[in-house]
Amino acid sequence: IAGITQAPTSQILAAGRRMTLRCTQDMRHNAMYWYRQDLGLGLRLIHYSNTAGTTGKGEVPDGYSVSRANTDDFPLTLASAVPSQTSVYFCASSRGTSDYNEQFFGPGTRLTVL
Amino acid sequence: GQNIDQPTEMTATEGAIVQINCTYQTSGFNGLFWYQQHAGEAPTFLSYNVLDGLEEKGRFSSFLSRSKGYSYLLLKELQMKDSASYLCAVRDSNYQLIWGAGTKLIIKP
Repeated sequence: IAGITQAPTSQILAAGRRMTLRCTQDMRHNAMYWYRQDLGLGLRLIHYSNTAGTTGKGEVPDGYSVSRANTDDFPLTLASAVPSQTSVYFCASSRGTSDYNEQFFGPGTRLTVL
Repeated sequence: GQNIDQPTEMTATEGAIVQINCTYQTSGFNGLFWYQQHAGEAPTFLSYNVLDGLEEKGRFSSFLSRSKGYSYLLLKELQMKDSASYLCAVRDSNYQLIWGAGTKLIIKP
């Protein structure tokens, strides 16, 4: 593994189903993030984790949950998918949250909820 | 509320110079980032400004004026591979990034 990976690459999901998007980084970064990107809108933060064992809510957390059991993994779960959750989901990580700490992005998961 | 404004789309000619503007209104300011995103790919980091002035990095430069809530990204000697979306993001008082919708740059030969 080099950098940050996400799985699956894409998924079509029936409404009401549960889905977990996976994210793994091997850079030993402390902070991790989940964003969704929709056409015409900027990236919107769903949930974040500043360090292993802690999580926080972003701008659009409803319908999503996360966990951060260790440094490397940050899964995002949709408990009961709805069509408005159709989007491209990006996981990102950074060494820290202050000053010059750029975020590195995974390749994204394209999710369609029907 | 928090707001980041960028032009939706710009067109430029190969070999020319283009300036992409970004204005922001955020709760606090802890730095401004520019990212490049090719269609269907992840955003990648281009530049970071926290103090007023110009930061130059090869063909790309980024300028910041905190008093005006304004930044621009300057791309010189445009190449076809520069066709992409350019995202402006501001780190707010909670140290979270607030993102603009991005500027799609089209390069014509």
